[in-house]
Amino acid sequence: KAGVTQTPRYLIKTRGQQVTLSCSPISGHRSVSWYQQTPGQGLQFLFEYFSETQRNKGNFPGRFSGRQFSNSRSEMNVSTLELGDSALYLCASSPSSTSGEQYFGPGTRLTVT
Amino acid sequence: DQQVKQNSPSLSVQEGRISILNCDYTNSMFDYFLWYKKYPAEGPTFLISISSIKDKNEDGRFTVFLNKSAKHLSLHIVPSQPGDSAVYFCAATTSGTYKYIFGTGTRLKVLA
Repeated sequence: KAGVTQTPRYLIKTRGQQVTLSCSPISGHRSVSWYQQTPGQGLQFLFEYFSETQRNKGNFPGRFSGRQFSNSRSEMNVSTLELGDSALYLCASSPSSTSGEQYFGPGTRLTVT
Repeated sequence: DQQVKQNSPSLSVQEGRISILNCDYTNSMFDYFLWYKKYPAEGPTFLISISSIKDKNEDGRFTVFLNKSAKHLSLHIVPSQPGDSAVYFCAATTSGTYKYIFGTGTRLKVLA
């Protein structure tokens, strides 16, 4: 089975621009979560989707948004980029609709200049 | 407010010895805990989990211990191998919230 894929792997954007990151979960997985990883902060939860519905979100400004499609693929969007948004963005999928292990993609490294 | 804390940023252990990684949490509503391993340029990989109804879970060389009264969990790796060198994250969640809180990670180096 193919793993979680994320595109693009690397991205350089300028302050004020917006960006869309994509995540394809493992086949059959309907739960997709997004995390931001920065040095010293660990993984910060952004949001979780299941069957196209956002079930929870973390403490991030409204510039961060996401969605999930009927095939479980997910996108996250960051508008009006700030330097502090530079991070590794990780997507994780899960086979379970309840608590359980997550399978992570390799991440998208976003650099904002 | 960091609800899940890994107070040791790094740990070095000799090959063949035991590695003990620690994690503390503050939210008493957490009822499911997980450990992940992360190599550079890769996403975290699930290692082992434990429900709050248990105090120990074993999987091969990996054992997780949960002390609910102390709000503390630990991951034991026995014996440690050089391939175990990675960053280890603990994570916690409350069933039904679909929100996982991660610690900041501990970098384990197993010396050959």
